[in-house]
Amino acid sequence: NAGVTQTPKFQVLKTGQSMTLQCAQDMNHNSMYWYRQDPGMGLRLIYYSASEGTTDKGEVPNGYNVSRLNKREFSLRLESAAPSQTSVYFCASSDGPGSQPQHFGDGTRLSIL
Amino acid sequence: AQSVSQHNHHVILSEAASLELGCNYSYGGTVNLFWYVQYPGQHLQLLLKYFSGDPLVKGIKGFEAEFIKSKFSFNLRKPSVQWSDTAEYFCAVTPSGGYNKLIFGAGTRLAVHP
Repeated sequence: NAGVTQTPKFQVLKTGQSMTLQCAQDMNHNSMYWYRQDPGMGLRLIYYSASEGTTDKGEVPNGYNVSRLNKREFSLRLESAAPSQTSVYFCASSDGPGSQPQHFGDGTRLSIL
Repeated sequence: AQSVSQHNHHVILSEAASLELGCNYSYGGTVNLFWYVQYPGQHLQLLLKYFSGDPLVKGIKGFEAEFIKSKFSFNLRKPSVQWSDTAEYFCAVTPSGGYNKLIFGAGTRLAVHP
């Protein structure tokens, strides 16, 4: 059981380049999330998808777009990368609202030069 | 706005020492509370969670946490730490009954020396 799978694991971009981070889960979860993790700031929610076909902004959505392709997959796109987007990105999924814990992927370490 | 404060950013302990990591949240309603752990180079894993009932919850690897509603606190404890507990620990909160949008604290980096 793979859980939450993120690709790629590492990426280096130049300022202004675009990139899509991929996330897939095999737990039949309804909800999926994208976070960024920066030193001393914990994890901050970028976008989430409560269910297939819906997406909503989180705490730090600027500069990002998402697509909930189907129940399994939730991608995060940087249209024009900026150095401030250098971070570790985590995808997570959960089986619905509130009380269900989130399951996290291994992360994508993204550096923008 | 909701927020989570973790008071200790870095903690250094010797093996067998006791651990207590502080977590306070700001939210007026009923909440669900979580502690996650991130071992070096790995993803976040759930340590324990509180939804309702007994305010003292036990998690994996000998960790426990106590919810004190009057203090808006959910402190993590372990009686005797091991070198393998070296990791970063995150407290998180989400309002009960609502959508599962976790608010994370900044994290506490724990180093345990043999």
